[in-house]
Amino acid sequence: NAGVTQTPKFQVLKTGQSMTLQCAQDMNHEYMSWYRQDPGMGLRLIHYSVGAGITDQGEVPNGYNVSRSTTEDFPLRLLSAAPSQTSVYFCASSYSRDRGYEQYFGPGTRLTVT
Amino acid sequence: GESVGLHLPTLSVQEGDNSIINCAYSNSASDYFIWYKQESGKGPQFIIDIRSNMDKRQGQRVTVLLNKTVKHLSLQIAATQPGDSAVYFCAEKADYQLIWGAGTKLIIKP
Repeated sequence: NAGVTQTPKFQVLKTGQSMTLQCAQDMNHEYMSWYRQDPGMGLRLIHYSVGAGITDQGEVPNGYNVSRSTTEDFPLRLLSAAPSQTSVYFCASSYSRDRGYEQYFGPGTRLTVT
Repeated sequence: GESVGLHLPTLSVQEGDNSIINCAYSNSASDYFIWYKQESGKGPQFIIDIRSNMDKRQGQRVTVLLNKTVKHLSLQIAATQPGDSAVYFCAEKADYQLIWGAGTKLIIKP
């Protein structure tokens, strides 16, 4: 199994541009989530999904959209990039919504917005 | 709002000694508390969890202690090794979300 994969690894955007960060898992996990991690800080939840077709907001959802059309994929869309969105983005998955605390993380996408 | 935080941002430990990483939490309704390890340039990795109705749980070389009276969580690593160098995060489960602390960097001295 590849586990949780994320693309791209690095991305530079100009203010106002939009883009999609890709996340996929091949473990048939029900629960998926997106976090951002700013330097020297813990992770903050952006959006999460407890199953295909179901998404919900986390702590910092503004400026981001998600969809979950399949179990495997959970893309994160930045609608109009801002410098405040410069961060490292992690996608994670877990077996079920009830075990959503035992998460498997992808390698991260380092995003810079100029 | 509810929050999870850590007492020490950096912990320096001699190789072979035991490490103790501490964490304070404020949400009494959380049903699970979790420790994650994050090595440089990688995503966090699950270490161990403890349910809110337990006081202690042991894993391989790690022990987590939960003191609900003072809302305190700790991670003990026995016989610390160079491979234990990382940032350690505590997190608490609230509904379907994890709330993360800021992290403690563990440095191993040779």
